[in-house]
Amino acid sequence: SQTIHQWPATLVQPVGSPLSLECTVEGTSNPNLYWYRQAAGRGLQLLFYSVGIGQISSEVPQNLSASRPQDRQFILSSKKLLLSDSGFYLCAWGDRNGLNTEAFFGQGTRLTVV
Amino acid sequence: LAKTTQPISMDSYEGQEVNITCSHNNIATNDYITWYQQFPSQGPRFIIQGYKTKVTNEVASLFIPADRKSSTLSLPRVSLSDTAVYYCLVGDWKTSYDKVIFGPGTSLSVIP
Repeated sequence: SQTIHQWPATLVQPVGSPLSLECTVEGTSNPNLYWYRQAAGRGLQLLFYSVGIGQISSEVPQNLSASRPQDRQFILSSKKLLLSDSGFYLCAWGDRNGLNTEAFFGQGTRLTVV
Repeated sequence: LAKTTQPISMDSYEGQEVNITCSHNNIATNDYITWYQQFPSQGPRFIIQGYKTKVTNEVASLFIPADRKSSTLSLPRVSLSDTAVYYCLVGDWKTSYDKVIFGPGTSLSVIP
């Protein structure tokens, strides 16, 4: 069966520090991968999506970036965090080649920028 | 972009059936209707998905009228553990993943 792993679960970082969040998917190949952010009490906002290795599309201009160095690995990064980057970050994958038409989410990373 | 409208919050007593209706007037021909459940500090969990008519699984039913401009998630005999936020989405994750929009969802509170 397919699983998605996202870490760390919680993170407290000072303003101006770098960020690296990692997400990996197991049990599938060539998935669509997504990074979402959720502010407190709000819906999910799509930040980045990827349809293949090295292919990244950005939905929202910001100081965050994403990379996909391997088929089932998706990384969210920042060179210098801002207070406004605080939030709940979720990685998700979609089955582009199979029968599933929904997306499956990881457990999320709670980022607090102080 | 297909946009959805659903109640911000609902309350229900334990053991009752809960129906959450979502409006999606601009749904496209290729769009599916998908519902997710989210607990605090957890990722959304897939509940059910449908295209038309009725879909039922072990946790919920999804009713979709012929015009597909709305849908109703039905949770039978809710328990306290069903207290969560429920999201209705329309779209096609395979080809239009960037157009699948999460709204604020419906916060369901189950009361003992």
